[in-house]
Amino acid sequence: GENVEQHPSTLSVQEGDSAVIKCTYSDSASNYFPWYKQELGKRPQLIIDIRSNVGEKKDQRIAVTLNKTAKHFSLHITETQPEDSAVYFCAASKGGDYKLSFGAGTTVTVRA
Amino acid sequence: DAGVIQSPRHEVTEMGQEVTLRCKLISGHNSLFWYRQTMMRGLELLIYFNNNVPIDDSGMPEDRFSAKMPNASFSTLKIQPSEPRDSAVYFCASSRRGLNTGELFFGEGSRLTVL
Repeated sequence: GENVEQHPSTLSVQEGDSAVIKCTYSDSASNYFPWYKQELGKRPQLIIDIRSNVGEKKDQRIAVTLNKTAKHFSLHITETQPEDSAVYFCAASKGGDYKLSFGAGTTVTVRA
Repeated sequence: DAGVIQSPRHEVTEMGQEVTLRCKLISGHNSLFWYRQTMMRGLELLIYFNNNVPIDDSGMPEDRFSAKMPNASFSTLKIQPSEPRDSAVYFCASSRRGLNTGELFFGEGSRLTVL
């Protein structure tokens, strides 16, 4: 099955700086790559996703890039704010059945 | 819509007892996923259903775990007998297969502690 690896496991950044989280996947048939944010004690929620027919997608301060050849994708958060502190999960699937394989998560801490 | 609803939110039980977790899907959704979250193993997919039919249960740890979907809007995950290593947060998530999005909508989770 699909194996998703995520790095780093923890990330501490100064408020206003950028944060970058990287993921690799194993199954070249995967074509859907979402990112979920989970605040402490809360449920995971989708923040952005990308499909294999595009290389980059932006939504305000967050962006995701995809390199299909290298089988990796990244989340970029610019101008970080305290409310960005959370655990971020990348995931991959082949679409269709929407079975998502999640990475291990990155705990992001934004220092004021 | 109230979103995916899970119950109970917290459950503390003793080893050997039966545990039943419940989930109500978002109206109109036809895919249902049970995930388990622990610090050590992250988010693990246990089982998922499409249109009430179990599609992949390869993530179910062992025969002590079973899941059912008696109708299109409701599912249960049962652990019998429970063991301390089953302690985790169990999330139910639903999606609407067929839309051009794979977004999963998670419930608030059921935090299980087995003593």
